[in-house]
Amino acid sequence: DQQVKQNSPSLSVQEGRISILNCDYTNSMFDYFLWYKKYPAEGPTFLISISSIKDKNEDGRFTVFLNKSAKHLSLHIVPSQPGDSAVYFCAATKLEYGNKLVFGAGTILRVKS
Amino acid sequence: ETGVTQSPTHLIKTRGQQVTLRCSSQSGHNTVSWYQQALGQGPQFIFQYYREEENGRGNFPPRFSGLQFPNYSSELNVNALELDDSALYLCASSFTPPLLARVNTEAFFGQGTRLTVV
Repeated sequence: DQQVKQNSPSLSVQEGRISILNCDYTNSMFDYFLWYKKYPAEGPTFLISISSIKDKNEDGRFTVFLNKSAKHLSLHIVPSQPGDSAVYFCAATKLEYGNKLVFGAGTILRVKS
Repeated sequence: ETGVTQSPTHLIKTRGQQVTLRCSSQSGHNTVSWYQQALGQGPQFIFQYYREEENGRGNFPPRFSGLQFPNYSSELNVNALELDDSALYLCASSFTPPLLARVNTEAFFGQGTRLTVV
């Protein structure tokens, strides 16, 4: 039972344009959501997070949007850069669970120069 | 670089053998979580250790076991290895506040151990 789903295995975007990565979840108990980026031969690196009491969180070029009614979140990267090419994982948890993360399968982002 | 180190980086074992993977947590962190990432999938939570005790477990059989030491480093042990255990094993360290307050702190991942079972 996949509680966190990333339905797009890959995404290709031109440098300078917007990248939009999507994530859906099924467990309404989740109240904290995170995005991680992973390069080959490295562990996942934390990018940005959002609590369920918010619907948007920004950090530089990265913005995460949360739509609780649709159980959907998205990560926007503007402008996209070639160095953003990596696998992006969406993760969810309940704060009481303390960093026990449920991950999606990941989306491979390729930014073309 | 996160300060979370895992050893070894790569390992090949035969089916039925036992393996121990190690993780040094980041300075100031008291919680270690282990994840298994199979090819083409996202990391799956195995278990978490907080103050040397298991603090939650995912859907993994008892042949997956762990330890946390007083310095907060941790080991993952897998007995009776199966071919499906071939995966990237990730360790994540974080800080849990003393009263398990409803706050979430960032988890920092190590680079992982690539285990191949043949």
